[in-house]
Amino acid sequence: DAGVIQSPRHEVTEMGQEVTLRCKPISGHNSLFWYRQTMMRGLELLIYFNNNVPIDDSGMPEDRFSAKMPNASFSTLKIQPSEPRDSAVYFCATNRDKISDEYGYTFGSGTRLTVV
Amino acid sequence: LAKTTQPISMDSYEGQEVNITCSHNNIATNDYITWYQQFPSQGPRFIIQGYKTKVTNEVASLFIPADRKSSTLSLPRVSLSDTAVYYCLGFNTNAGKSTFGDGTTLTVKP
Repeated sequence: DAGVIQSPRHEVTEMGQEVTLRCKPISGHNSLFWYRQTMMRGLELLIYFNNNVPIDDSGMPEDRFSAKMPNASFSTLKIQPSEPRDSAVYFCATNRDKISDEYGYTFGSGTRLTVV
Repeated sequence: LAKTTQPISMDSYEGQEVNITCSHNNIATNDYITWYQQFPSQGPRFIIQGYKTKVTNEVASLFIPADRKSSTLSLPRVSLSDTAVYYCLGFNTNAGKSTFGDGTTLTVKP
């Protein structure tokens, strides 16, 4: 199993541009989470999906952020327009079951986003 | 979700046993306690999870007393490669999600 695959690994963009981060979950994992990590705020849960349906998006900072999961194999996190304060490492994590965390989340390697 | 409190940092030496304690006074009935390890430039990695008493796997042990208001992660005979940030968090089975705290930075010295 290749694990959770995120792309790109690094993204540098100019303020105002649209940014799309991608995640391919582990096959068979029903829950998918998007986290953001910064030095100041640590790891923040942005949104999570269960069976491709958004369950809780209360962590999404503002309307500039949107996330989709069109099928069980793919999710995107989009920022439009991007701002320098969005600079962070964005992680995607998946879990096989919403109810049981017996095996914990499996995290991807993250996307380091820099907005200049 | 349970709010967790951990020491900000700890130092240890190679070969020692390390115990990291986490406080979670408002833990709910549906919360499991989960620990993750994170190295620089990597995503967190699941270590162990428990509900009460003791859980052991090939990496660590987790002790949770009867009142479940705290838990202790025990790492036997640490090595330099165990230097990382360790997160204690509650996983709520109703909400289906976890909230990470600030973590404990463990530094293992030779």
